[in-house]
Amino acid sequence: KQEVTQIPAALSVPEGENLVLNCSFTDSAIYNLQWFRQDPGKGLTSLLLIQSSQREQTSGRLNASLDKSSGRSTLYIAASQPGDSATYLCAVYQGGSEKLVFGKGTKLTVNP
Amino acid sequence: GAVVSQHPSWVICKSGTSVKIECRSLDFQATTMFWYRQFPKQSLMLMATSNEGSKATYEQGVEKDKFLINHASLTLSTLTVTSAHPEDSSFYICSAYPGPPDGYTFGSGTRLTVV
Repeated sequence: KQEVTQIPAALSVPEGENLVLNCSFTDSAIYNLQWFRQDPGKGLTSLLLIQSSQREQTSGRLNASLDKSSGRSTLYIAASQPGDSATYLCAVYQGGSEKLVFGKGTKLTVNP
Repeated sequence: GAVVSQHPSWVICKSGTSVKIECRSLDFQATTMFWYRQFPKQSLMLMATSNEGSKATYEQGVEKDKFLINHASLTLSTLTVTSAHPEDSSFYICSAYPGPPDGYTFGSGTRLTVV
């Protein structure tokens, strides 16, 4: 059974700092991995999708990497801003009729 | 990118009444949609998988007679909470998978409060 773990559970940083969020998964046979952010009381916003054949994806100040062999992904946020404060979720999809499996998230607070 | 629209964003209803939540894929067809429930400060919990033209598949422990799902078209799935009670108060979110490069796409969620 696929399990996804996110470390740390919470992170508080000053504005401007570069930071890394970690995600690990137990079964490396994934179809893709997706990073989301969730603001309080809101739905999920997709940040980056990494397909199994890819090693990284970039969007603006965000960069996500994927190492299937070690079962790890990292989300790098450059020059963090208070608006980045949210819960970041990592999820893996194994394809076919398998369900999306989520980690419990990292709650990020960026202090002005 | 792909967009999933969910309506209403919040609803308050009296105990014993039913509430319908709509989930629409705006720019793609979704033969399958997913319904989640989220309690405060907890992770998303998959409730059911909605299949166009056929019965929904419910996760273990989810009462299918309480949470009625209808997926009548390739762009619309509805979740009806029947005979709602205060313990049904929660945040409900729908999702669909249009495929790469979009990945899973989520609606904005519905906050249900049963009084």
